[in-house]
Amino acid sequence: QSVVTQPPSASGTPGQRVTISCSGSTSNIGVNAVDWYQQLPGRAPKLLIFLNNLRPSGVPDRFSGSKSGTSASLAITGLQSEDEADYYCATWDDNLNGGVFGGGTKLTVL
Amino acid sequence: EVQLVQSGAEVKKPGESLKISCKGFGYSFSKYWIGWVRQMPGKGLEWMGIMFPGDFDTRYSPSFQGQVTISIDQSTSTAYLQWSSLKPSDSAMYYCARRPCSGGQCYFDSWGQGTLVTVSS
Repeated sequence: QSVVTQPPSASGTPGQRVTISCSGSTSNIGVNAVDWYQQLPGRAPKLLIFLNNLRPSGVPDRFSGSKSGTSASLAITGLQSEDEADYYCATWDDNLNGGVFGGGTKLTVL
Repeated sequence: EVQLVQSGAEVKKPGESLKISCKGFGYSFSKYWIGWVRQMPGKGLEWMGIMFPGDFDTRYSPSFQGQVTISIDQSTSTAYLQWSSLKPSDSAMYYCARRPCSGGQCYFDSWGQGTLVTVSS
């Protein structure tokens, strides 16, 4: 099991706002930045948010990230069918001296 | 444009060795960490390890330490992931990714297309 925890699933209807949580500890999220990745079915992961809340160029501003204490969140506003994908948070863990991914959240657009 | 191009799918038998590759284009290869990520069938992403081409500094996840070897050929801007003795449980998709850092915090910003490894007798 990963040291960083995500809910296995989330869902929403088109236009809705959804959030995905990422829970860690004082050795990872509490002291290191969090990234978020989107993986569409059959595709390689894609960077969505880096350094807690920054968006790479080309990522719509419907996607936003935040961090507080030992938890982080990804928010998606104006949900679209094309957002249906797996979402992963990632961070560095000082105890492991390596990176970790959350278990992933499968987002379904109803 | 930054691009990472991985080698093609592999089918191997248990006990065989394997080395897969990831060639970087469009950026200064020696200036960015590069990492490997495993995704077993139907499962999530797993952080395997990273290497800095400039000085070959390497970090492995405890889960993969001693199981795989990461290496780099700077002359060809290519990173490698290798196994000395494959197991059926090594069957997975493997991704390489570039890892820029800012203020000591790093992330994977560009990903290869993935290499599917199948280990079966």
